Amino acid sequence: GESVGLHLPTLSVQEGDNSIINCAYSNSASDYFIWYKQESGKGPQFIIDIRSNMDKRQGQRVTVLLNKTVKHLSLQIAATQPGDSAVYFCAEQASSYKLIFGSGTRLLVRP
Amino acid sequence: SAVISQKPSRDICQRGTSLTIQCQVDSQVTMMFWYRQQPGQSLTLIATANQGSEATYESGFVIDKFPISRPNLTFSTLTVSNMSPEDSSIYLCSVETSGTSSYEQYFGPGTRLTVT
Repeated sequence: GESVGLHLPTLSVQEGDNSIINCAYSNSASDYFIWYKQESGKGPQFIIDIRSNMDKRQGQRVTVLLNKTVKHLSLQIAATQPGDSAVYFCAEQASSYKLIFGSGTRLLVRP
Repeated sequence: SAVISQKPSRDICQRGTSLTIQCQVDSQVTMMFWYRQQPGQSLTLIATANQGSEATYESGFVIDKFPISRPNLTFSTLTVSNMSPEDSSIYLCSVETSGTSSYEQYFGPGTRLTVT
């Protein structure tokens, strides 16, 4: 089927290892951030979010870290599995509903 | 969360024609959005579909090219008019719902459009 992100930066990790996907955002006024996972042929899937009054938030096997000083966001995936292979997008939101998406990173999990 | 469906899932269209994409949500939502994802690219917001009033378009997108309807709180359509090959993209509907920490946006599966 069609694939998304043919020219995206790629992170290749061994199954079972931890993955760290990074994102630099642009607007210092952004106060809400989301990570999405997009598998080939599907729409983006909400993974985890974080507000600017926090610097860390944990979910199931995922952790999002926010560094407002350098406008940097990261997604950590523990014990990466083959099903984690996808394109990951960060998104930022300022005062309105509008989401600004980053360019995306392709995660490849090696068996 | 919300369950979102889109029709058609994909289509191949001739240049100069128009295609209407439907988005259906399983619950009433206030905010519905339409995004475009060009090949190998990230997502770009086209417009916000407002119930009972005209859609709000982002810079670079106009109503004549992308007319939008929002007849109720669970349904919206996006029409891609007078298509050219540059309109070949994935078109995605999204909705905003109240989450644990904020208002979360969820996406439909997308409509993959190829214009020949």
